[in-house]
Amino acid sequence: KAGVTQTPRYLIKTRGQQVTLSCSPISGHRSVSWYQQTPGQGLQFLFEYFSETQRNKGNFPGRFSGRQFSNSRSEMNVSTLELGDSALYLCASSLATGSGSPLHFGNGTRLTVT
Amino acid sequence: EDQVTQSPEALRLQEGESSSLNCSYTVSGLRGLFWYRQDPGKGPEFLFTLYSAGEEKEKERLKATLTKKESFLHITAPKPEDSATYLCAVQALGEGSYIPTFGRGTSLIVHP
Repeated sequence: KAGVTQTPRYLIKTRGQQVTLSCSPISGHRSVSWYQQTPGQGLQFLFEYFSETQRNKGNFPGRFSGRQFSNSRSEMNVSTLELGDSALYLCASSLATGSGSPLHFGNGTRLTVT
Repeated sequence: EDQVTQSPEALRLQEGESSSLNCSYTVSGLRGLFWYRQDPGKGPEFLFTLYSAGEEKEKERLKATLTKKESFLHITAPKPEDSATYLCAVQALGEGSYIPTFGRGTSLIVHP
């Protein structure tokens, strides 16, 4: 069974630009979550989607947005990039929201903002 | 507010030197506690889920245990390939509170 796939693996962007990251969950998983990981803050929750609906949102500015498609694939978008947005962005899928099912992570997209 | 604290932040062991990592948590009710392993440049890899106090899970040299306030990840006779960051996450009971809260992790280095 294929794992969670994230593309691209690396991105270098300039301040003020925008970026779109993509995530394909494990087949059969309907819940997709996004996390930001930095050395200073650890894993911070961004948002979670289930059946194309955003179910939860973390404490991030509105520049961070996402969506989920009918095939459960998900994208997240960051507009007006800032230097502080440099991080590893991780996508995780699970069978169902709130069921005690573990998250299964992709290998992330490393975003560098210059 | 749910909190998860992992200790120590970093741990250096000699190959074969057994030790334990700690994850203490405060939640109003526990739905599940998860352990992950993360290698540099990769996403966290799921290891175990524990649901209730007294539960134990094992996988190769790793054994996870759970009490009402903390979980331990015991590493028996570690090898250099066990070097990684180990993350603990807690999922609480209750509507709208099921997003797992992650600890900051323990960075483990095992020297040959």
